Amino acid sequence: QKEVEQNSGPLSVPEGAIASLNCTYSDRGSQSFFWYRQYSGKSPELIMSIYSNGDKEDGRFTAQLNKASQYVSLLIRDSQPSDSATYLCAVIGGTYKYIFGTGTRLKVLA
Amino acid sequence: EPEVTQTPSHQVTQMGQEVILRCVPISNHLYFYWYRQILGQKVEFLVSFYNNEISEKSEIFDDQFSVERPDGSNFTLKIRSTKLEDSAMYFCASKDGGSTNYGYTFGSGTRLTVV
Repeated sequence: QKEVEQNSGPLSVPEGAIASLNCTYSDRGSQSFFWYRQYSGKSPELIMSIYSNGDKEDGRFTAQLNKASQYVSLLIRDSQPSDSATYLCAVIGGTYKYIFGTGTRLKVLA
Repeated sequence: EPEVTQTPSHQVTQMGQEVILRCVPISNHLYFYWYRQILGQKVEFLVSFYNNEISEKSEIFDDQFSVERPDGSNFTLKIRSTKLEDSAMYFCASKDGGSTNYGYTFGSGTRLTVV
């Protein structure tokens, strides 16, 4: 069974700090990795995708991938209260279906 | 920006009744999906649909579930005889290209409550 693991949190950070969210996956053959943000009662919203080892930056967000360690992370710089949400890690598991982690709830304290 | 549209936003139904959840994917997308999220739990894959047929389905997607793309624009999920445990948010999603390097666009979801 292919699994994606995330710490459910909550992860609390002060406004302006860096939030670090982590995800591990079990299928070594996974190729594509995604971070989604989900506000309570809303649908997932794509933040970033990453496919190659290393870092990928987009504005305040940086995704990091280490395939050898089967580890994906998301860094949010200059965290804002509006970043408070659940962050879902998703891995492509075959025929383009996602396998989602349970999500990490982030609280940014003003 | 193109959107995936889902209706209704909230549906309440009695146990044993049939429900149809509707989705209008983004017009040039080719791959369509249904996911569900029981309150407080992870988003779970139900079914994927491509070229007018199911390409993959999960263990959740049993004989009580079916999908259809009846007219080239709508994409529906039918649950024939609802159970209490079918209560969840149901998300439709679509994707354009054939590469795994593209994320989905999710609809806003239908909250199904079975009483």
